Amino acid sequence: QVHLVESGGGVVQPGRSLRLTCAASGFIFSSYGMHWVRQAPGKGLEWVAVIWYDRSNENYADSVKGRFTIARDNSKNTLYLQMNSLRAEDTAVYYCARERRTNMYYFDYWGQGTLVTVSS
Amino acid sequence: EIVLTQSPATLSLSPGERATLSCRASQSVSSYLAWYQQKPGQAPRLLMYDASNRATGIPARFSGSGSGTDFTLTISSLEPEDFAVYYCQQRNNWPLTFGGGTKVEIK
Repeated sequence: QVHLVESGGGVVQPGRSLRLTCAASGFIFSSYGMHWVRQAPGKGLEWVAVIWYDRSNENYADSVKGRFTIARDNSKNTLYLQMNSLRAEDTAVYYCARERRTNMYYFDYWGQGTLVTVSS
Repeated sequence: EIVLTQSPATLSLSPGERATLSCRASQSVSSYLAWYQQKPGQAPRLLMYDASNRATGIPARFSGSGSGTDFTLTISSLEPEDFAVYYCQQRNNWPLTFGGGTKVEIK
């Protein structure tokens, strides 16, 4: 069965960096676009970034553009989110999510999430 | 950016009742809209995609309709496990956006 497991969250000071990892299993990872979606405490969902199945393209929310980088290693079935210049407003649970189908940008499988807290 | 506005913010109903949730887009998203259910402490779960298609394993009491800017998620008869927060999401334009959510609570 499809399994997505995020890791790498924690408490970090403003301006510092953090890298999140999402380990995927149970499906052909290299065939699916992958996304990061976040949820601030007690708030709604916010899409963060996408990377195409073959790494040919990426896209970002304006709120993270220039600070966050999404990447993937298809040989390791792993998705990454490099987060630089972190701000208090980046505090959230970060989920990795699989596209339902190539270029069908809905999310049919989600990880359990990893909490990132940006605080001094 | 396409803004999705969900209403009502909270819906107080009893088990067995019908729930009607609304999602309105700031511009047309064609039929490219999904609905998710989220329970406390859990990741969201895909319910509907492309406005009216049920995702795998979703019970028939869930249905979706609409196109353009106005969409509806209907739960025909609420089961105890349906009390949760529901989000809509559009994929017509970048960035992908979600609505603010509707909480369906037990009356």
